[in-house]
Amino acid sequence: KQEVTQIPAALSVPEGENLVLNCSFTDSAIYNLQWFRQDPGKGLTSLLLIQSSQREQTSGRLNASLDKSSGRSTLYIAASQPGDSATYLCAVQDSGNTPLVFGKGTRLSVIA
Amino acid sequence: DAGITQSPRHKVTETGTPVTLRCHQTENHRYMYWYRQDPGHGLRLIHYSYGVKDTDKGEVSDGYSVSRSKTEDFLLTLESATSSQTSVYFCAISAPPANYGYTFGSGTRLTVV
Repeated sequence: KQEVTQIPAALSVPEGENLVLNCSFTDSAIYNLQWFRQDPGKGLTSLLLIQSSQREQTSGRLNASLDKSSGRSTLYIAASQPGDSATYLCAVQDSGNTPLVFGKGTRLSVIA
Repeated sequence: DAGITQSPRHKVTETGTPVTLRCHQTENHRYMYWYRQDPGHGLRLIHYSYGVKDTDKGEVSDGYSVSRSKTEDFLLTLESATSSQTSVYFCAISAPPANYGYTFGSGTRLTVV
């Protein structure tokens, strides 16, 4: 059974810092990995999707990497801003027909 | 979120009453999912559907049933609501074999008193 772990559970950084959020999964034979953002009381917004054949994806100040052999993904946020404050969720799909399995998220606070 | 809506957005109900949550999509995606989100547990899958009238259970399906009579609608029913079912419920859609990931609805906050 696939399990997804995100460390740390919470993180507080000053504005302008570059930061890394970590995600690990137990079964390395994945189909894809997706990073989401969730603001308090809101739904999930997809940030980046990395397919199993890819090593990384980039969108603006965000970069997500995938190392299937070690069962790890990182989300790198450059030059953090207070507007980046949210919970970041990592989720893994084992095949195209199996549901996403989520980690419990990392709650990020960027202090101005 | 564009293309997927959940109703109602908020609901308060009494213990023992049946409750139905609706998820509606305009994307013609084949797969639809119901998750619940609770502090300390993250998002957990309740049920999902891989086509009209085709559904399967997730890890927390006890006390819930689902129906999908047409592509665009996926209903989640709490047969007899309990306080442990107080949660935020999210619907999602995907379209395998196209690997575009999931799109989520805005959620339904359900309180059982």
